[in-house]
Amino acid sequence: QVQLQESGPGLVKPSETLSLTCAVSGYSVSSTYYWGWIRQPPGKGLEWIGTIYHSGSTYYNPSLKSRVTILVDTSKNQFSLRLSSVTAADTAVYYCARLRITAAGSHFDYWGQGTLVTVSS
Amino acid sequence: NFMLTQPHSVSESPGKTVTISCTRSSGSIASNYVQWYQQRPGSSPTTVIFDDNQRPSGVPDRFSGSFDMSSNSASLTISGLKTEDEADYFCQSYDSNNHGVFGGGTHLTVL
Repeated sequence: QVQLQESGPGLVKPSETLSLTCAVSGYSVSSTYYWGWIRQPPGKGLEWIGTIYHSGSTYYNPSLKSRVTILVDTSKNQFSLRLSSVTAADTAVYYCARLRITAAGSHFDYWGQGTLVTVSS
Repeated sequence: NFMLTQPHSVSESPGKTVTISCTRSSGSIASNYVQWYQQRPGSSPTTVIFDDNQRPSGVPDRFSGSFDMSSNSASLTISGLKTEDEADYFCQSYDSNNHGVFGGGTHLTVL
């Protein structure tokens, strides 16, 4: 069974960098899937942050691109998110997920439980 | 980039059928596949429809997806509504550069 688990600080100060890790079990991040990050501000909708392939190929939300870095660590079977220069607007539940690629398109088929990150001094 | 617009909320009675729309603001709805995610309170989203009209295993056939080029919209239809279907539903698609876009979400009330 594929499982994803987010981890990282629950509180980040404004202007600092948010760093989260997603540990994957039951499947290798080196296999033929993309891996992604999605966030959800409290009481609001979902926002696609970006995805990464094990080769390092990435796709980032254009509105976040200047501040986002997603990396994959195949030796630890995990991937990570870094979001720099955070503000209160970055307060959200952050989800990691596996992106299943079909012959036609793609969708997130396994999600982590999510982790709340609050940006506050 | 484009936006996906959904109604904020819909409600219907158990046993009835409800349709949730997802309208693309620019570019054709047919140019990129649409997914639908269900999110129950306090839980992570799960896929109920992918690639416009495909159901993952385990999702009942009461859930179906379609799109209409004339309205440039995708739709999620749930028939035989059950109280357990009460949740938030999000549509999602991609732009031409493989950047994902989510709709704002629709809260479904089954009462």
